[in-house]
Amino acid sequence: ETGVTQTPRHLVMGMTNKKSLKCEQHLGHNAMYWYKQSAKKPLELMFVYNFKEQTENNSVPSRFSPECPNSSHLFLHLHTLQPEDSALYLCASSRAGDSNTDTQYFGPGTRLTVL
Amino acid sequence: GEDVEQSLFLSVREGDSSVINCTYTDSSSTYLYWYKQEPGAGLQLLTYIFSNMDMKQDQRLTVLLNKKDKHLSLRIADTQTGDSAIYFCAEEAQGSSNTGKLIFGQGTTLQVKP
Repeated sequence: ETGVTQTPRHLVMGMTNKKSLKCEQHLGHNAMYWYKQSAKKPLELMFVYNFKEQTENNSVPSRFSPECPNSSHLFLHLHTLQPEDSALYLCASSRAGDSNTDTQYFGPGTRLTVL
Repeated sequence: GEDVEQSLFLSVREGDSSVINCTYTDSSSTYLYWYKQEPGAGLQLLTYIFSNMDMKQDQRLTVLLNKKDKHLSLRIADTQTGDSAIYFCAEEAQGSSNTGKLIFGQGTTLQVKP
């Protein structure tokens, strides 16, 4: 247990569905992250939120819409996805704002399959 | 740009030492990390090293950093079957607003044979 939880752990959806992934951190951190992990590719950073403000958007298609209502919760809203969006979506959090390392702690991920 | 390279696969016998290697390109990286990912799980932080250090030891884990060559290695002593996993090297580039921006390698799959 890293203190970062994600739900659901597995999700199967059609291309016309709308679904949301949820992440919650219990570490008192201020920054939260979404990563995509596809087979045979390095982890790709998607979004970063710091103190609820989006600070990084790594050229992610608009069919992925993040939401960060507070520093403990992060959502990823999904709509009209493509089969190539099937991947493991990982959430992470970090303290941020520290002058030293900003170590990220990861959740278990949501395995998404788009049919 | 920033890039992190790792070999994709390593197979060792139980009880042997494992050495997983990584090269990175961003000489301004301040911290370098090793994460472990078991099947069906997220990434577990194993250890990290500050760029002004050349070695860090934590129980069975030894991290060696050659900053001149931008080479990082993770040595696991007395490797056990439970160490079988994917190991990711990551360098920390400067993100926005004092958040860390991690650049990951492709991951090295460690197979431990009994």
